Amino acid sequence: KNEVEQSPQNLTAQEGEFITINCSYSVGISALHWLQQHPGGGIVSLFMLSSGKKKHGRLIATINIQEKHSSLHITASHPRDSAVYICAAVLQSYNTDKLIFGTGTRLQVFP
Amino acid sequence: NAGVTQTPKFRILKIGQSMTLQCTQDMNHNYMYWYRQDPGMGLKLIYYSVGAGITDKGEVPNGYNVSRSTTEDFPLRLELAAPSQTSVYFCASSYAPLAGGFHEQYFGPGTRLTVT
Repeated sequence: KNEVEQSPQNLTAQEGEFITINCSYSVGISALHWLQQHPGGGIVSLFMLSSGKKKHGRLIATINIQEKHSSLHITASHPRDSAVYICAAVLQSYNTDKLIFGTGTRLQVFP
Repeated sequence: NAGVTQTPKFRILKIGQSMTLQCTQDMNHNYMYWYRQDPGMGLKLIYYSVGAGITDKGEVPNGYNVSRSTTEDFPLRLELAAPSQTSVYFCASSYAPLAGGFHEQYFGPGTRLTVT
């Protein structure tokens, strides 16, 4: 079993729909990182959070440390949101912070 | 700022050849990382560096070497390329203050490598 699990693996939506991507982890973490990988392959950081909720535009990320669960929400989805969304657990070690990555959720938003 | 840049974007190698993947960042980040991404798998850490002159192994270091002679550059060397090294390679950097705490990682555009 992977230490970081994402669901669903694939997601299809119509433009305007509310999207939720889930991330569960089985290890103790210091933070959780949400990333977006564009169809061309580039990876962009969306959020890094260790508690509560963060919002940036139409994107909202929440985390529940006790339940070891995080969600990424996209409101009013748009075709340009089509990408792979990756969550990564941040493990603190003695000299660096290491990321354990989920396998990603592929989102396609159709007009 | 250009951020994190990687060269080349694509490369095809024959089995047994060697090559160096270049990575440069202009954000004065102290931490740098190399990951590989295989189809259907999460990114795996190959090597990382916490500063110039200091490198350490990640999860999957076999078949690779790194060096960090400057803050800006963190090249990844493949010796004796094997088909199992066919992958997309990402370099990343982050700033970690001495007081601790995690800062988000910034990724380069990736290098798609095929070994045949």
